[in-house]
Amino acid sequence: KNEVEQSPQNLTAQEGEFITINCSYSVGISALHWLQQHPGGGIVSLFMLSSGKKKHGRLIATINIQEKHSSLHITASHPRDSAVYICAVGFGGNQFYFGTGTSLTVIP
Amino acid sequence: NAGVTQTPKFQVLKTGQSMTLQCAQDMNHEYMSWYRQDPGMGLRLIHYSVGAGITDQGEVPNGYNVSRSTTEDFPLRLLSAAPSQTSVYFCASSYSAGTYNEQFFGPGTRLTVL
Repeated sequence: KNEVEQSPQNLTAQEGEFITINCSYSVGISALHWLQQHPGGGIVSLFMLSSGKKKHGRLIATINIQEKHSSLHITASHPRDSAVYICAVGFGGNQFYFGTGTSLTVIP
Repeated sequence: NAGVTQTPKFQVLKTGQSMTLQCAQDMNHEYMSWYRQDPGMGLRLIHYSVGAGITDQGEVPNGYNVSRSTTEDFPLRLLSAAPSQTSVYFCASSYSAGTYNEQFFGPGTRLTVL
């Protein structure tokens, strides 16, 4: 069964803290995406990973294919990072399967 | 570029009514899809299309129809609305089929069925 698990469900951090959000999946994948859903509801794509590590500004995403696990890190967190972060996994074919999301609140 | 647009933003229906959620993209993307988002659950795929004239079912297709007569448009039809279809609906598009491509999402439609 194609399962995607995210942790934690909710996360509160002080501004400036280093944040890690985790995503685990059940079987081999073709690609993994990290998405950000803004408080207003809009969804944007942050990263696509099939191996290794990617960095964009203060965001870093890593994937370990053998352990079936990916992490999204935010360095020097800021209140504007407050959002829901969603892991989306492709198991081959054209369909994505999504985690339930991690709701992040960064307090000034 | 407007990206992916959806109309309406909000809709209230009575049980048994039908309606069409509109989705359009101006990026000449081949792949388009419809998702629903419910509290405590991840986004779930309803239907998708890999090009004009080609559609297929996703994870939760029952109660919904789609068609793709042009590259730009991918409407979602609710044939006879039920309270279980109360949800937020997102349309998305990507350059081509396959899960390596970045998905671009519309702003969503919040649907309530009474």
